[in-house]
Amino acid sequence: GQNIDQPTEMTATEGAIVQINCTYQTSGFNGLFWYQQHAGEAPTFLSYNVLDGLEEKGRFSSFLSRSKGYSYLLLKELQMKDSASYLCASRNDYKLSFGAGTTVTVRA
Amino acid sequence: GAGVSQSPRYKVAKRGRDVALRCDSISGHVTLYWYRQTLGQGSEVLTYSQSDAQRDKSGRPSGRFSAERPERSVSTLKIQRTEQGDSAVYLCASSSLAGSSYEQYFGPGTRLTVT
Repeated sequence: GQNIDQPTEMTATEGAIVQINCTYQTSGFNGLFWYQQHAGEAPTFLSYNVLDGLEEKGRFSSFLSRSKGYSYLLLKELQMKDSASYLCASRNDYKLSFGAGTTVTVRA
Repeated sequence: GAGVSQSPRYKVAKRGRDVALRCDSISGHVTLYWYRQTLGQGSEVLTYSQSDAQRDKSGRPSGRFSAERPERSVSTLKIQRTEQGDSAVYLCASSSLAGSSYEQYFGPGTRLTVT
């Protein structure tokens, strides 16, 4: 399998920045995804990295280092609605393997 | 347009019974996936099916899990002889690209509780 490790929980203040780290096994690796999932809802796509470097998309940025098996999701200017679970997933062939998710709580 | 939908949203089954979970994917999407999401343990893919004009390839998970695709945009995950360990959220996803998992669109999931 593709062991995916990410922190279980993070708490931050509204307007702040939070960085969620993710490590994965590199064998057969073919892309790294980040999804956002609110409780009881479908995971929604945030970002996809296949090459090393930083991808910026509005308040969210994602970084990948293939040689280190490492990615992070950066959330800037946090809003209350950003409180959710953030799932890191690596792609191996057609399959996505998800981590357990990081629950981010944004406080006023 | 409509996204991926799943039914039922919640299912309670007695241990040993069979269950069927339905997924309606986005029209035109080629590949359908089923994942099992367990609290605190991440998600694992159970099966996928890919259809084109000539054939339908269905993943065949071993044991008690099977998936059918009676229509291009419909998939049914069947679990035979349910066990308490099967309690989880079952997510369906679809993608528009054949053989690729780039940007999969997920349904809200079916929460299965086996008693």
